[in-house]
Amino acid sequence: QVWLVESGGGLVKPGGSLRLSCAASGFTFSDYYMDWIRQAPGKGLEWVAYISGTGTAIYADSVKGRFTISRDNARNSVYLQMNSLGGEDTGLYYCARDHLGGFDYWGRGTLVTVSS
Amino acid sequence: SYELTQPPSMSVSPGQTARITCSGDNLPNQYAYWYQQKPGQAPVRVIYQDSKRPSGIPARFSGSSSGTTATLTISGVQAEDEADYYCQSADSSATYFFFGTGTKVTVL
Repeated sequence: QVWLVESGGGLVKPGGSLRLSCAASGFTFSDYYMDWIRQAPGKGLEWVAYISGTGTAIYADSVKGRFTISRDNARNSVYLQMNSLGGEDTGLYYCARDHLGGFDYWGRGTLVTVSS
Repeated sequence: SYELTQPPSMSVSPGQTARITCSGDNLPNQYAYWYQQKPGQAPVRVIYQDSKRPSGIPARFSGSSSGTTATLTISGVQAEDEADYYCQSADSSATYFFFGTGTKVTVL
């Protein structure tokens, strides 16, 4: 059974930083690309970033230069370091497994709120 | 940035067929994927690579793609199918992912 569990969300002031974590289990973690996808309150889904099994990372234009995705295959975990946060970054952040160009398993998400 | 356009909403009676479209310039060259999201829940993939149905997804869900339009069809809609549906694809280089604008399906 595949499980993805996100953590690290919370309330942060504009301009602040936050680090999200996603713990994976139930599959050979290093074999898969992993992604972060977010959803602003009442809005649609937005892909944020992905990382290959060997650490190659790609970012959406909206977060490039501010967010960094990383992974630790020994810990079966993927991370999202978020800097220079603004109100537009508020939302539920999902970790998802990337398979055949889509996302076959999702976590339940962790909520990030950027507010003064 | 690349746009995938969906109708914002649709209403369908139980037992009828719902067809949700997704329009995008790169769809002739990139696969489409579909996700169902119910309130307070994470999205669930219902179609991948245009028309493949994952195990556990009911057979009433099907997908197709032609030209710049991908379509998710729900045949014999049931009350439990009421949800938001999102398409997803990639840019022409298959480097960046994009989601559609989402369609809220209401079962009357």
